[in-house]
Order: sequence, then structure tokens, then C-alpha cells
Amino acid sequence: DAGVIQSPRHEVTEMGQEVTLRCKPISGHDYLFWYRQTMMRGLELLIYFNNNVPIDDSGMPEDRFSAKMPNASFSTLKIQPSEPRDSAVYFCASSLGPEQYFGPGTRLTVT
Amino acid sequence: RKEVEQDPGPFNVPEGATVAFNCTYSNSASQSFFWYRQDCRKEPKLLMSVYSSGNEDGRFTAQLNRASQYISLLIRDSKLSDSATYLCVVTTGNQFYFGTGTSLTVIP
Repeated sequence: DAGVIQSPRHEVTEMGQEVTLRCKPISGHDYLFWYRQTMMRGLELLIYFNNNVPIDDSGMPEDRFSAKMPNASFSTLKIQPSEPRDSAVYFCASSLGPEQYFGPGTRLTVT
Repeated sequence: RKEVEQDPGPFNVPEGATVAFNCTYSNSASQSFFWYRQDCRKEPKLLMSVYSSGNEDGRFTAQLNRASQYISLLIRDSKLSDSATYLCVVTTGNQFYFGTGTSLTVIP
């Protein structure tokens, strides 16, 4: 199995630009999670889906962030407009049971 | 109060030493418990699940103490390759809570 796939691996963008992060979960997994990790705040859960339906988005910092899961094999996290404080590593994870499997992450830098 | 709390360390130990980490959780209804390992600039990876009866995997032993609401991870005979950040994870219902991680450096 290829594991969780994320793209891009690195993204550098200017403040105000739209950023779209992509995730392909492990085939057969019915949960998908988006996390953000910074040195200051650690690993934060942003949103998670079950069977493509958003279950809890209470971790989404503000309306600039949105996430979709149009089908079982693809999800996006969009930031519009991006701000320097959004700079972080964004991880996608998937699971079938309580154990989660993480993708390699997208390192986002907003200048 | 945070759902999950860990001592961030860092823990610097010599090769061959035994080191233990604790992680406390606030919700007595928490159901599942895990330890993850995260190497520098990498994603977290599952190290082991934590069961009420305790479980062991080679040099690693995980324990759960429901009465005091903490989980622990013991690493025996530390290797240089054990250097990483160790994150505890607690699930409550459909919620997953990660600790901020404990940094371990094993010194030659």
C-alpha cells in the first residue's frame, strides 16, 4: 500500500494568495483527518470526515479555511486568503479503526 | 485544562539507559490510548497501542493507569535511533487528542 499521499510536499506563497492542499487516504479507510503542526502549538486537529462527511470542524481556525471530501479517495484543504501565521506543516491522516496513519505532510510557508 | 498533557522535555539520556515518559489525560471516559513517534521533519507514526493490561514490544513497554488517568512509555536499553519526539494520543468518543510531545535525545 502506498500509504497516505499528500501534495504538494512544500508550498511557498505570498500573503493573500489561495492555497490548496491535497490528500489521498489509504484505500478502504473511512476516516480522514486534517492536522496542522507548529512549534508553538504542536499538532492541532482541524477537521475530520467519516465516509466523506465532515463530522467535526471545530478546529478550523476561521472562515479562511475550508475542507472538502468529494469522494472516498480525495480531500482538499483550502486557505483563502493565506496569511503568514498560516505557515505550518499540514498533515492528512486516515484510519479504519482508532489507529491513524499520517501522510508525509505539506510544509506551507506564507511570506 | 488541556485534554492531554505531556512533559515536553527534552530528555537527554546516554545510550543504554532506561527512560520513561508519562502522559496525563483529563477525561475519565477516554477509551483508546496510543503512543506515536515523530522524527524530525517527518510525520507521526504509530509506535504502539496502550492496553489496560499493559503491553510490551521489545524494548518498549506501555502502561495505562485509569485510576490516575495517565499512560506511560518505558524504553529500555536506549539506542541512538530512539531519538525522536514521542506523542501520546487519547481518544474520547469520536475525538482524538494529541499531546504536544516529549523530545528524547539518546547520546553516544
